[in-house]
This record gives sequence, C-alpha cells and structure tokens, in this order.
Amino acid sequence: GAGVSQTPSNKVTEKGKYVELRCDPISGHTALYWYRQSLGQGPEFLIYFQGTGAADDSGLPNDRFFAVRPEGSVSTLKIQRTERGDSAVYLCASSLLRLAGDNEQFFGPGTRLTVL
Amino acid sequence: AQRVTQPEKLLSVFKGAPVELKCNYSYSGSPELFWYVQYSRQRLQLLLRHISRESIKGFTADLNKGETSFHLKKPFAQEEDSAMYYCAHAGGDSGGSNYKLTFGKGTLLTVNP
Repeated sequence: GAGVSQTPSNKVTEKGKYVELRCDPISGHTALYWYRQSLGQGPEFLIYFQGTGAADDSGLPNDRFFAVRPEGSVSTLKIQRTERGDSAVYLCASSLLRLAGDNEQFFGPGTRLTVL
Repeated sequence: AQRVTQPEKLLSVFKGAPVELKCNYSYSGSPELFWYVQYSRQRLQLLLRHISRESIKGFTADLNKGETSFHLKKPFAQEEDSAMYYCAHAGGDSGGSNYKLTFGKGTLLTVNP
C-alpha cells in the first residue's frame, strides 16, 4: 500500500509569510508525528497526535507553530510569520501505536522549507 | 534531558571490511533503541530495533547497558550499505512517552569498492 505522503515536496517562502505543510499518513495508523530536521542534524520531535488530539506538542519551538489533525487522518503543520531559522526539512511519520518498543514509525519523504 | 550521541559524522570503509557505527545514549531507565537508515534519495526507514534482537541486511546491534551503547555492526560491508545512519531512542525523560524518538546527528557511511 501507499506510504506516508507529504506535500509540497519543496516550499520556498519569504520571511514573515504563512505556510502550511500537509501530511497523509498510512491508512489506519492512529499515531502521527511531526519532526524537523535542520542541516547536519538528526530529526527533532515537534508534535505527536493520537487520533485527532495533540497528545504531546512539547517539541513545537514557539507559538508560531501549530498543527491540526481534525479527522484523525491528514495533518497540517502551520507556521506563521516564518523566519529564516525555520528553514529545514519537515518530516511526518505515522505508526500503529502498539506495545512499548514495537512502535515502528514510518516516515514520509519530507517537505523542504526554505525561508528567504 | 536524554541524549543520543553518534560521535562519527563520517565513516569510510572498503567493501568486505567490517564496519561499526557507534551510538551512545543517556537515559536512566530501560532504553528502547533503534537504528534508522536513509539511502540516497530515499526516505528514512527503520533498520532494526533492539527489542527484536534481529539481524537485518547483515547488521546487528547489541544493547550494552553498562557502557550505555548500542553500536551497529556488520562483519563485511557492501557498497549498497552506503547511506546515512541514525541511532534513535524512544521515550521521554520520565520513562513514559515511548512514542517520541530522539535521534542522534547521524553517521554517513561510505563503502568504497
């Protein structure tokens, strides 16, 4: 079946603009995650959804970042008043939340965001 | 805060040579550790997890709680093993939140012919 998909694959915007990044998880996966990967770094956790609700948003860097998952499937990461430091690859992952240690997260291809 | 350290940014070996990618973690509880791999122009994917004790593509990783390490090893490297490898830990500081992955910075492995 289809894996996790993310759109757009690339997004170039200007400082101060608003952007939305979309994630389509694997069908049936109840858990959805957003990570951010800056150049030369590993992915960093942003937010986790279980169903429709954000169970943990402790990784969101500030209140310019917000994410929703209104129907428990597709999720949108929203960034207001973008800054150059927001430039990164934004990764989405989904999983069947099973037993501890058996939580394989399936990653999407990422959206490369560039803020000029 | 928990940390995952991969001390080598780059690792280059010849085909057929043994390879070891190092990973150390800082966590006081029972760790849940993974290795993820990203081949050129592909997405990040799970390679193996310590809980299943399996060997994937000839790679193994043993959890050493005394040394807080989870090094990835392969006795005979192949050119197709060239990729970016990330060690990751699942879990928060309090021992819960086992959904949250903390990644190391990654090691770029190049296997030369």
